[in-house]
Amino acid sequence: GQQLNQSPQSMFIQEGEDVSMNCTSSSIFNTWLWYKQEPGEGPVLLIALYKAGELTSNGRLTAQFGITRKDSFLNISASIPSDVGIYFCAGTQGGSEKLVFGKGTKLTVNP
Amino acid sequence: GAVVSQHPSRVICKSGTSVKIECRSLDFQATTMFWYRQFPKQSLMLMATSNEGSKATYEQGVEKDKFLINHASLTLSTLTVTSAHPEDSSFYICRLDAGRGGTDTQYFGPGTRLTVL
Repeated sequence: GQQLNQSPQSMFIQEGEDVSMNCTSSSIFNTWLWYKQEPGEGPVLLIALYKAGELTSNGRLTAQFGITRKDSFLNISASIPSDVGIYFCAGTQGGSEKLVFGKGTKLTVNP
Repeated sequence: GAVVSQHPSRVICKSGTSVKIECRSLDFQATTMFWYRQFPKQSLMLMATSNEGSKATYEQGVEKDKFLINHASLTLSTLTVTSAHPEDSSFYICRLDAGRGGTDTQYFGPGTRLTVL
């Protein structure tokens, strides 16, 4: 099935640093979503994007829906230790409700 | 906000036994429910989609006779792993659609860790 290419696979940063991760696809997506998953728990939605070019913020998080509709990025500013976790991008295509997930970016924040 | 629960949160069973996992929505009616499987350090893979009162639609490669899904009501869906084997050990997560439109009205459960010995 369709795959989303998410990078980087992992990041090790110092507290206070900014973080950027992205997802790309060879085909068009109608929605882009960013989730955070902590160990032993289900993913929690961070930001949902519905329109090409859309830039949306949620606190220290900012995400954008690429103009080509084939990519999206997530930025985290001024990282804190509780930002640790695995961040997944996901998207839907056509009229489907099915979410296609990226492979995740594991974020480690050193205090 | 919406709350989704899963029970049990963890289960360990012997090979050959069946395990039932429940997914409940606590404060909304879920028209559509999705079941995912996540292996360690991997992404979420959709197993099946179910709508209340109808048969589930399984993804390619997912055995419908092995992973029985029952969308019993608008607040409950169950996944039964029949004749479980060690390779079925995984993290199973449900996702419910509150039906208010938009992917941001879909909520994941906290997951169930299945270990088959």
